[in-house]
Amino acid sequence: EVQLVESGGGLVQPGRSLKLSCLASGFTFSNYGMNWIRQAPGKGLEWVASISSSSSYIYYADTVKGRFTISRDNAKNTLYLQMTSLRSEDTALYYCARLSGSWGQGVMVTVSS
Amino acid sequence: DVVMTQTPPSLSVAIGQSVSISCKSSQSLVYSDGKTYLHWLLQSPGQSPKLLIYQVSNLGSGVPDRFSGTGSQKDFTLKISRVEAEDLGVYYCVQATHFPRTFGGGTKLELK
Repeated sequence: EVQLVESGGGLVQPGRSLKLSCLASGFTFSNYGMNWIRQAPGKGLEWVASISSSSSYIYYADTVKGRFTISRDNAKNTLYLQMTSLRSEDTALYYCARLSGSWGQGVMVTVSS
Repeated sequence: DVVMTQTPPSLSVAIGQSVSISCKSSQSLVYSDGKTYLHWLLQSPGQSPKLLIYQVSNLGSGVPDRFSGTGSQKDFTLKISRVEAEDLGVYYCVQATHFPRTFGGGTKLELK
């Protein structure tokens, strides 16, 4: 069974940092590009970042460029999102996902003083 | 950025009825490899999104064949035949041809 399990969320003050992780299982993680998608409370889905299978290609939404870093460790079957200089507008449920495949259950990030 | 326009924003349907949801993109979604990376997702209440259809018309794993997808270039449609109670939620289209990836605004399916 394919599983994506996110962790690392929580309440953080504006300007601080947080690192999300996504542990993948049930498929050959190293063969697939991966994404982080977020959903603010009561809102739609917003793509955040993508990384290719070998980390050769990385893309970010303009809203997070320069503040967030996506990475992966294929030996550990894990996807990461390092978030710095967090803002209140980054408050959302963050999903790890393959857009043409499985999604995780999401992890909540709340940015508030 | 590619703008994905989804209509209608909401639908109220009876069990057993068939419905269609439209998704139009501001640019062609045909990639250089000839494939079209337009996918459909369902987010059931309180759940994470689930893939229904990938690359316009291919059923996701375990998705019933009541769901079907059609379209090309910039104009796509998701059809649900014989709606069941478990189909309620918000449907999204998403394009994975261009960066940034973009989602439609969602169509909320409610039961009458």
